[in-house]
Amino acid sequence: GENVEQHPSTLSVQEGDSAVIKCTYSDSASNYFPWYKQELGKRPQLIIDIRSNVGEKKDQRIAVTLNKTAKHFSLHITETQPEDSAVYFCAASRSPGGSYIPTFGRGTSLIVHP
Amino acid sequence: NAGVTQTPKFQVLKTGQSMTLQCAQDMNHNSMYWYRQDPGMGLRLIYYSASEGTTDKGEVPNGYNVSRLNKREFSLRLESAAPSQTSVYFCASSERDRAPLDGYTFGSGTRLTVV
Repeated sequence: GENVEQHPSTLSVQEGDSAVIKCTYSDSASNYFPWYKQELGKRPQLIIDIRSNVGEKKDQRIAVTLNKTAKHFSLHITETQPEDSAVYFCAASRSPGGSYIPTFGRGTSLIVHP
Repeated sequence: NAGVTQTPKFQVLKTGQSMTLQCAQDMNHNSMYWYRQDPGMGLRLIYYSASEGTTDKGEVPNGYNVSRLNKREFSLRLESAAPSQTSVYFCASSERDRAPLDGYTFGSGTRLTVV
């Protein structure tokens, strides 16, 4: 099955700095890579995703890059703000004509200091 | 549009007691899932239902059972609760047959403590 490794487990930055979270996956058939943000005591919510037919996707201050050859993908947050503080999860999955079962990384706790 | 609704939000059980966590979605999604979240362990899949009438084990199914009651509802049952089942439980739903346009939609979670 799929194995997703996520690093770092904790990331502390100053407001305005950039933050990068990296994930690797093992199943070369994976083709969908979402990122979720979970604020303290809240549910995970999708913030951005990327499919295997593109190498990069941006949405305002966040971007995701994908390297299928190396089987890794990363989340980039620029100009971080205190409200970016949360746990971020990456996931990888494939849709072989049936169920969509992502495997999640263990999460990165991002702390943005004012 | 409520999305995914989970009940209860909090529960304390004694070891050996049973309970059912309820989940309902109103987005006409085919697939539903139960995850547990423990510190440092991320989200681990307990059971899932790819479509109405089917259920399958995930990564950590022991001690749990599920029922896909209809397309909207997917319940998780603990027959004899153990302290190791103390966790936060999330229900989620998604479309099937293609990567969903909006990923998973999660419920608000159930914080379960077994003493």
